[in-house]
Amino acid sequence: KQEVTQIPAALSVPEGENLVLNCSFTDSAIYNLQWFRQDPGKGLTSLLLIQSSQREQTSGRLNASLDKSSGRSTLYIAASQSGDSATYLCAVESGGGADGLTFGKGTHLIIQP
Amino acid sequence: NAGVTQTPKFRVLKTGQSMTLLCAQDMNHEYMYWYRQDPGMGLRLIHYSVGEGTTAKGEVPDGYNVSRLKKQNFLLGLESAAPSQTSVYFCASTANSGANVLTFGAGSRLTVL
Repeated sequence: KQEVTQIPAALSVPEGENLVLNCSFTDSAIYNLQWFRQDPGKGLTSLLLIQSSQREQTSGRLNASLDKSSGRSTLYIAASQSGDSATYLCAVESGGGADGLTFGKGTHLIIQP
Repeated sequence: NAGVTQTPKFRVLKTGQSMTLLCAQDMNHEYMYWYRQDPGMGLRLIHYSVGEGTTAKGEVPDGYNVSRLKKQNFLLGLESAAPSQTSVYFCASTANSGANVLTFGAGSRLTVL
């Protein structure tokens, strides 16, 4: 059974700093890995999707990397802003294909203004 | 705006009552999912559907039933609600598995007394 772990569970940094969120998964047979953002009381918004054949994806100040063989992904946020405060969730789609994503429990990020 | 719409947004039930959560998407997506999100547990898949008329069990299906009579709608039913079903429920959809981003609804907060 696929398990996804996110470290740290919570992180607080001053505005302007670069930061890295970590995600690990136990079964390397994945189709893709996705990073989501969740604001309090809201649904999930997709940030980046990395296919299993890719090493990284970039969107603006966000860069996500994937090392499938070691079961790890990182989400790098450059020049953090107060608006980046949210919970960030990592999820993998595994060999079962259609049966949805396995999620980590998230990293609660607070950017101090 | 195109997207995933969940109704109702909030509901309070008494133990033993029944109810149905409705998920509607207007993106012509084939795949639809119901997740529940609980503190400390992350998101867990309840049921999913890979097309009109199909349904399948996810990780935590007990106590729930689903139907996909129309492609755009995915219904989640609780026949006899229990306090353990107090949670936030999220619906999501995607065009197909493996390559496409999941689009989530805003969530439905259910409390069972």
